[in-house]
Amino acid sequence: KAGVTQTPRYLIKTRGQQVTLSCSPISGHRSVSWYQQTPGQGLQFLFEYFSETQRNKGNFPGRFSGRQFSNSRSEMNVSTLELGDSALYLCASSLSGQGTLGNSPLHFGNGTRLTVT
Amino acid sequence: GEDVEQSLFLSVREGDSSVINCTYTDSSSTYLYWYKQEPGAGLQLLTYIFSNMDMKQDQRLTVLLNKKDKHLSLRIADTQTGDSAIYFCAEGGYQKVTFGTGTKLQVIP
Repeated sequence: KAGVTQTPRYLIKTRGQQVTLSCSPISGHRSVSWYQQTPGQGLQFLFEYFSETQRNKGNFPGRFSGRQFSNSRSEMNVSTLELGDSALYLCASSLSGQGTLGNSPLHFGNGTRLTVT
Repeated sequence: GEDVEQSLFLSVREGDSSVINCTYTDSSSTYLYWYKQEPGAGLQLLTYIFSNMDMKQDQRLTVLLNKKDKHLSLRIADTQTGDSAIYFCAEGGYQKVTFGTGTKLQVIP
């Protein structure tokens, strides 16, 4: 079974631009979660989508948005990029999602490394 | 709220055992996970334990859970240089999965 696929692997953007990152979950997984990872802040939760609906959201500004398609693939968008948005963005898929009490572990992709100059 | 704490750094000699510790606060956690992150990669699920278990062994990995103290540990036997990575513990419960800050394991040859 193929793992979680994130594209692109690397991105370089300038301040003020916008960016779209893509995530294809493991086949059969209906939940996709997004995380931002930086050396200073560690792993921070952005949002989770399940069956095309945003189920949970972290504490990020409205510049960060996402969506999920009917095939469970997900995209996240960051508008008006700032230098502080430089990070590794990780996508994780799971069978039934977070907060379900059952064992539905998150499976991560290799991330998209975004550099904002 | 949920909070998961880990020490930042651990250094061991090749062949020794490594023990990475984690404490969590959410008593409603049902599953606890250990992930490994190598440079330039995402998080790889290593193992997990259900909250009503005390111990789980999986080849070189042993997970111990003290639910009373909300303490989780990961023991890696016969640590190899390939085990050098950042290890994250995570708790899953009613709300969402919460990750610790990660422990960087350095294996000295």
